[in-house]
Amino acid sequence: DAKTTQPPSMDCAEGRAANLPCNHSTISGNEYVYWYRQIHSQGPQYIIHGLKNNETNEMASLIITEDRKSSTLILPHATLRDTAVYYCIVRGVYSGNTPLVFGKGTRLSVIA
Amino acid sequence: DTAVSQTPKYLVTQMGNDKSIKCEQNLGHDTMYWYKQDSKKFLKIMFSYNNKELIINETVPNRFSPKSPDKAHLNLHINSLELGDSAVYFCASSQEGVSYNEQFFGPGTRLTVL
Repeated sequence: DAKTTQPPSMDCAEGRAANLPCNHSTISGNEYVYWYRQIHSQGPQYIIHGLKNNETNEMASLIITEDRKSSTLILPHATLRDTAVYYCIVRGVYSGNTPLVFGKGTRLSVIA
Repeated sequence: DTAVSQTPKYLVTQMGNDKSIKCEQNLGHDTMYWYKQDSKKFLKIMFSYNNKELIINETVPNRFSPKSPDKAHLNLHINSLELGDSAVYFCASSQEGVSYNEQFFGPGTRLTVL
């Protein structure tokens, strides 16, 4: 079972920042936080991951609280193409090639 | 270049038939997976293979039989198809030892059983 909790849906105006929260209160010290997204009818796509420091890449930023019990994925300037289901996944650093455990995710709707 | 490809993209068939879905990855990864996404959109793992060997087999009916002829291919054969098998099937791959084990997914195969 997934070990994360996310709101089922969110709306965001085009061009604004989308902030997607995730609770992972039972995360252990050797577990990373990963984010994937699934655009309608496509396969899931990796976005970003982090352990305890904030991370940024060309797609998004990941802010992890100091106690690591929650995190926020930030899409700085959301576009219509960012409309998707976003999955927050907790995964051990030594998980090797174990499968991803998907929860229900957050359905983000970016509105023009 | 498509990293993970699946064929066919759509598959419509009658109950009781046998069908196969093919998956190929050109990333040189050593592990491949099959996930199922049902009508309620839940994504769940079915199988994973590492270097052509089965390492995970979730509680999937034995009508489903994965086959990996080589590291780059993982096919899914389904016997005696049932209505409940209707779903989108995603193939994925990853490489052990890469620091964050990103999984790459194929475009999915939408199976409809009539």
